[in-house]
Amino acid sequence: DAGVIQSPRHEVTEMGQEVTLRCKPISGHDYLFWYRQTMMRGLELLIYFNNNVPIDDSGMPEDRFSAKMPNASFSTLKIQPSEPRDSAVYFCASSSGANYGYTFGSGTRLTVV
Amino acid sequence: DAKTTQPNSMESNEEEPVHLPCNHSTISGTDYIHWYRQLPSQGPEYVIHGLTSNVNNRMASLAIAEDRKSSTLILHRATLRDAAVYYCILDNAGNMLTFGGGTRLMVKP
Repeated sequence: DAGVIQSPRHEVTEMGQEVTLRCKPISGHDYLFWYRQTMMRGLELLIYFNNNVPIDDSGMPEDRFSAKMPNASFSTLKIQPSEPRDSAVYFCASSSGANYGYTFGSGTRLTVV
Repeated sequence: DAKTTQPNSMESNEEEPVHLPCNHSTISGTDYIHWYRQLPSQGPEYVIHGLTSNVNNRMASLAIAEDRKSSTLILHRATLRDAAVYYCILDNAGNMLTFGGGTRLMVKP
């Protein structure tokens, strides 16, 4: 099992550009989560899906952020337009349920200049 | 959401046991206690979880107080690879783990 796969590992973009982060969850996991981590705010849950359906997006900072899960093996987090304050490490995680543990990907380090 | 309180940092010597405390005085009867850790430059990693009884696995043990208002993660023999931030999290099976600040564990050789 390759675990949760995120791409790219690093992304540097200019302010105003569109950024798309990608995630492939573990096969068979029906929950998928997007987190953001910064020094100031720690790990924040942005949105999570169950069976490809968004369940709670209350953590999405603003309309510039959107997330999709078109099928059970792929999800994207898009930021348009990006701003310097979006610079952070973005983690994707998948799970069969909280009591089965979450498996996190290695993260995407986003830098917006 | 019920909250947890952990020390910001702790130090341990290599090959000695480590007891990482967590207070959760507002825990509800259906809240599970989860522990995750995050090694430098990596994503968080599941360690252990429990509801009422103490739990053991290959990574650690979880000791839960009888009133459930506190718990302790026990690493039986710390190694340098155990240096990480350890998060204690409550979840009522809502499938939304909310991470706090955690405890940064430093292991001295």
